[in-house]
Amino acid sequence: GNSVTQMEGPVTLSEEAFLTINCTYTATGYPSLFWYVQYPGEGLQLLLKATKADDKGSNKGFEATYRKETTSFHLEKGSVQVSDSAVYFCALSDPTGTASKLTFGTGTRLQVTL
Amino acid sequence: DAGVIQSPRHEVTEMGQEVTLRCKPISGHDYLFWYRQTMMRGLELLIYFNNNVPIDDSGMPEDRFSAKMPNASFSTLKIQPSEPRDSAVYFCASSFTERTEAFFGQGTRLTVV
Repeated sequence: GNSVTQMEGPVTLSEEAFLTINCTYTATGYPSLFWYVQYPGEGLQLLLKATKADDKGSNKGFEATYRKETTSFHLEKGSVQVSDSAVYFCALSDPTGTASKLTFGTGTRLQVTL
Repeated sequence: DAGVIQSPRHEVTEMGQEVTLRCKPISGHDYLFWYRQTMMRGLELLIYFNNNVPIDDSGMPEDRFSAKMPNASFSTLKIQPSEPRDSAVYFCASSFTERTEAFFGQGTRLTVV
């Protein structure tokens, strides 16, 4: 079946540090890949997505590239801010049916300090 | 549009009681999803609907769980009887088509004591 593996958290960084959160996936076919963010007490918000190999999704300074050869979709940001503190979820869509049916990773908590 | 609206935001109930969670999807969205989030299992898809019809309920954990979508603007997730292990955050999400982004509500935090 489909699965997503994310690096364990929490990740604690100082403001302006470089961020990488690793995500790898297993899927049959060619899924779309997503990063969702969950701020404290809120629901999930789509951060970025990529729909095919070598696509780069980007938003709010975050980037992730769909790497089919390594089945990865690592999230990066060059300079994090305190306001980026949240839980980040990597997810993939069902490549064989309903694309908006998502399989999520376990989430990685990011804490950014001054 | 106000987005996906869930109610209540928080629910505390005693073991054995019936619990009903509610969701109003974004107008015009044909797909509705119910997810559960726990520390142990992360985010799991429980069930999803297309045009008010349940398509896949394989994620529903037990017969104590049931979901309905009587019309395009309303869905419920019911747990009867509730148990402490049902304590979790339950999210509803909707999407316009099967190929488009799913938008999530703010979730209902359920605590069963």
